[in-house]
Amino acid sequence: DIVLTQSPGTLSLSPGERATLACRASQSVSYSSLAWYQQKPGQAPRLLIYGASSRATGIPDRFTGSGSGTDFFLTISRLEPEDFSVYYCQQYSSSPVTFGQGTKVEIK
Amino acid sequence: QVQLQESGPGLVKPSQTLSLTCTVSGDSISSGDYHWTWIRQPAGKGLEWIGRIYTSGSTNYNPSLKSRVTISVDTSKNQFFLELTAVTATDGAIYYCARDVGLLLWFGELDVWGQGTAVTVSS
Repeated sequence: DIVLTQSPGTLSLSPGERATLACRASQSVSYSSLAWYQQKPGQAPRLLIYGASSRATGIPDRFTGSGSGTDFFLTISRLEPEDFSVYYCQQYSSSPVTFGQGTKVEIK
Repeated sequence: QVQLQESGPGLVKPSQTLSLTCTVSGDSISSGDYHWTWIRQPAGKGLEWIGRIYTSGSTNYNPSLKSRVTISVDTSKNQFFLELTAVTATDGAIYYCARDVGLLLWFGELDVWGQGTAVTVSS
């Protein structure tokens, strides 16, 4: 199985600041088959980024995905109040599909 | 607009079988454009992929659960199902169904999710 390790576990920032979240894979993720999801309390995850860098429909351009191979990043350029949430990465290049353990972005 | 809705018992006794249904609206499972997936999330924890099914009935399962999981589909009702046998307390979680955009044998991102249904395993 491909193990995804997200860092940091918690990111404490203020609105307007830049957030950079990392996702490292235990082996190379083929074809950039990596997605990012946002999950708010009591809600299902929401797809933000797929193919490592493509924004899903309706996702603001302050969300940017980058990376390849084993190292991937999600950058939120300027944090809005609604962005304080938990973020998960997911690889879908091989079975079983796996998720990272999540990064919580909290208000400082 | 595609919507997925999970349904099923919120409480299951240990050693029994957990059975859930996902009803799809706004899209046809039989279109063959997507795979249909189950994911679970224990309270306060991360996401675990359980498995997926294609309209043909072809399935992929997480090896960690494969011996206890069956995913099936009823295209006439536009529903797919999850059965998990011999449940224990560790199977208690929020169970989500979702749409996987992967084509043919490829896996894809999960672009539409149900709201989730909470299942507790307790006697």
